[in-house]
Amino acid sequence: KQEVTQIPAALSVPEGENLVLNCSFTDSAIYNLQWFRQDPGKGLTSLLLIQSSQREQTSGRLNASLDKSSGRSTLYIAASQPGDSATYLCAVHRGSTLGRLYFGRGTQLTVWP
Amino acid sequence: AAGVIQSPRHLIKEKRETATLKCYPIPRHDTVYWYQQGPGQDPQFLISFYEKMQSDKGSIPDRFSAQQFSDYHSELNMSSLELGDSALYFCASKKLNSGVEEKLFFGSGTQLSVL
Repeated sequence: KQEVTQIPAALSVPEGENLVLNCSFTDSAIYNLQWFRQDPGKGLTSLLLIQSSQREQTSGRLNASLDKSSGRSTLYIAASQPGDSATYLCAVHRGSTLGRLYFGRGTQLTVWP
Repeated sequence: AAGVIQSPRHLIKEKRETATLKCYPIPRHDTVYWYQQGPGQDPQFLISFYEKMQSDKGSIPDRFSAQQFSDYHSELNMSSLELGDSALYFCASKKLNSGVEEKLFFGSGTQLSVL
C-alpha cells in the first residue's frame, strides 16, 4: 500500500519568504504526482502535476520537483504572500491512469503580513 | 470554465437515515472518483468509475453504493448512517487518456453531518 508523508505538518512564515514543502512516498511505481491546495472547508485545487517521467513543473511562483527513485517531491513557493495561506496536499497517482490518488495529510501554511 | 458540481453543499442527517450525494463532472470527462475526508484527515479513496463501470474500489463501507449514469454524473448512496460518516465528501473527475496533463479536478465537496 502506498504511504504518503508530508513534512512539516504546519509552517508559519512572514510574507516574502521562500519556502519548501516536502512529500515522500513509499512505492515508486507511480503514474504521476499532484500538488493541491485546500482552503478551510473547501475543495481541492490542483496546483501542479508531474508525470512519472518528468523531473519538475513550474507555474508562476510555484515549482514542484519529483525524484521518483528516492520517493520524494518538493513544492517550492517563492516570495510567499498572505494569500498563499492554506493546506497543501501532495497526492500520488498509483500504477496506471485509472489508479487512485493516495494523499498525504498536508502541510498547513500560514503566511503573515 | 465549468467545474465539477456537487450537490448538496451541506447535508444534515440523523443516525440510521439515508443520504444521496450527487456529482456532475466537467463536460466530456469520463472518469469520476469519490473521496471522504474526515476532520483533520487526508482524503480517503472510496470508489471510482470509468465509462459508467466501476474501475476501482477503496475503503467504501458495504452500507454505501455508487454508480455512474449515462450522462456521466455519479451518485453516492449512503444508508444506515453512523456518526462516523460525518465528513466532507469529494467528487473528482478527469478525461482519461487526454494527453500529458491528466489532472484530477475536484468539486467543492458535500459536508455531511450525522447527528
